[in-house]
Amino acid sequence: DAGVIQSPRHEVTEMGQEVTLRCKPISGHNSLFWYRQTMMRGLELLIYFNNNVPIDDSGMPEDRFSAKMPNASFSTLKIQPSEPRDSAVYFCASSLEQGVRHFGDGTRLSIL
Amino acid sequence: AQSVTQLGSHVSVSEGALVLLRCNYSSSVPPYLFWYVQYPNQGLQLLLKYTTGATLVKGINGFEAEFKKSETSFHLTKPSAHMSDAAEYFCAVTGFSGGYNKLIFGAGTRLAVHP
Repeated sequence: DAGVIQSPRHEVTEMGQEVTLRCKPISGHNSLFWYRQTMMRGLELLIYFNNNVPIDDSGMPEDRFSAKMPNASFSTLKIQPSEPRDSAVYFCASSLEQGVRHFGDGTRLSIL
Repeated sequence: AQSVTQLGSHVSVSEGALVLLRCNYSSSVPPYLFWYVQYPNQGLQLLLKYTTGATLVKGINGFEAEFKKSETSFHLTKPSAHMSDAAEYFCAVTGFSGGYNKLIFGAGTRLAVHP
């Protein structure tokens, strides 16, 4: 079975550029989550979608961050403009069962 | 509000020794509890979960955890460590907040296994 697929795996870009991270959840899962992981702050929930609708975006750091889920099989997380402090590993996870998350392998983002 | 505390950010054991990773939780309702493992350059994956029923739960790779309500604990154990167990381990609890059941992660414990 295909797991959660994220692209790209690595992204290096200069500050001020727009960054788009992509996620394909597991087919049939009705919940999708975006997380950010850093050494300093650990694992943070950015946004949660249920049935393609954003339910909780309280973790989105600021207006430079936006996320969409146009259909059940695709989601994007966009940062515009990017800043060096956005450097982190970004994970997408999908779920069908309370508390059970299926994580992708993440996108390692470096903003120079 | 629900919370999770993992005691010890780093644990080091010898190969073949007992692994014990500690997790205490706070919850005002019967909790659902989880352990996740993260290997280098990978996402988190579920090791085991407790929802209801038997308090000793077995997971993948020989790990198990016991839910102890009186101690508000959910410690993770493995009788004999392998080199391949070196990873970061996260305890988590579900908690109703903001209108839905959130999964609240602990800060993680990095396990090192040496020969």
